[in-house]
Amino acid sequence: DAGVTQSPTHLIKTRGQQVTLRCSPKSGHDTVSWYQQALGQGPQFIFQYYEEEERQRGNFPDRFSGHQFPNYSSELNVNALLLGDSALYLCASSLAFGPQETQYFGPGTRLLVL
Amino acid sequence: AQSVSQHNHHVILSEAASLELGCNYSYGGTVNLFWYVQYPGQHLQLLLKYFSGDPLVKGIKGFEAEFIKSKFSFNLRKPSVQWSDTAEYFCAVQPSGYSTLTFGKGTMLLVSP
Repeated sequence: DAGVTQSPTHLIKTRGQQVTLRCSPKSGHDTVSWYQQALGQGPQFIFQYYEEEERQRGNFPDRFSGHQFPNYSSELNVNALLLGDSALYLCASSLAFGPQETQYFGPGTRLLVL
Repeated sequence: AQSVSQHNHHVILSEAASLELGCNYSYGGTVNLFWYVQYPGQHLQLLLKYFSGDPLVKGIKGFEAEFIKSKFSFNLRKPSVQWSDTAEYFCAVQPSGYSTLTFGKGTMLLVSP
């Protein structure tokens, strides 16, 4: 049973560039959430996708956008990168409207912005 | 908006010592509660969860947590820690009817052999 997978594992970008991160959910899951984990902090919710639509959004600027594909996989895009965007980006998947909707996390993509 | 407070940022224990990590949340409605663990070099894993029913929940690796509604708390406990419990522990709250999680800042546990 494949868990949540993310690619790439590491990425280095420079300020002003754009980045795309990818996530494949756990088998049987239809919902993908993205989180940003800065060093020494807990994960912070960015947004969630269900049925190819953004279902909920956290307190992140419009530079952060996403997409969900018909196979439930998802992308996170960040435009005009800032130094402060350096973080571990986590993807979590879940089954929407399940009796106990629990999120399962992938290994993350570590982004360094120089 | 909800928030989560974890009392200790770092905890150092010797093997066989008992563990209690504090977690308090702020939210006016019904919540679901979680503890996740991040072992060195590994991804975030679910340790245990509370949705309803018995407020004392048991998780993997001998961990348990107690939900005390009147105190808005969900403290994590283990009677006897092992060196392999060295990890970062995160408490998270999920308002009922929503699936997104709000995390605390985490507690780094170091267990010395």
